[in-house]
Amino acid sequence: QSALTQPASVSGSPGQSITISCTGTSSDVGAYNYVSWYQQHPGKVPKLIIYEVSNRPSGVPDRFSGSKSVNTASLTISGLQAEDEADYYCSSYTASTQVFGGGTKVTVL
Amino acid sequence: QVQLQESGPGLVKPSQTLSLTCTVSGGSISSGNYYWSWIRQPPGKGLEWIGFVYYSGSTYYSPSLKSRITMSLDTSKNQFSLNLTSVTAADTAVYYCARLGYAFYFDLWGQGTLVTVSS
Repeated sequence: QSALTQPASVSGSPGQSITISCTGTSSDVGAYNYVSWYQQHPGKVPKLIIYEVSNRPSGVPDRFSGSKSVNTASLTISGLQAEDEADYYCSSYTASTQVFGGGTKVTVL
Repeated sequence: QVQLQESGPGLVKPSQTLSLTCTVSGGSISSGNYYWSWIRQPPGKGLEWIGFVYYSGSTYYSPSLKSRITMSLDTSKNQFSLNLTSVTAADTAVYYCARLGYAFYFDLWGQGTLVTVSS
């Protein structure tokens, strides 16, 4: 069981769109539509922002969207805002276990 | 609404056992369809899944930690617990308890508790 692969950092200017990738294998991301994304501000508890690849929990702004192609899931933040500066983690179910990505730091320039 | 709260020692000596409890309030731990989970985050690092226990008592552990972990439920107290044996400094982390939903997403988290392994 290896961690999912995410870029260490992504940056963008306010109003721009950014995409964070999350690459797994045919045993995790590619095998199930159980990919979720979490946002974590410094010193805070992670917050669920996407589940089942592309579903948003109530209260999460629609500028957050998720998708998946083969073994790679993606989180897109459209209309980037200052408050979106945080760490983002993907997670996937795999054979009775869970695996997280290494995390991506999003910087709003 | 359902809330989770971790409790346990903040300091554990090397080679000893780390024991944490998560108390669930506002809902029953045995209501079904949820996996009660532990996740940790070393200082300045990413999230690591430790394991989860189903409401039936079935347990599922991270392969990398499996030999040192025991998780259990106490339905009478509406709590679940984590024991991690033979700890080292590498086990120093914020430990979170969380609820894993039917589609394997963590929808509720505790506030987290920092456990430091040091003599």
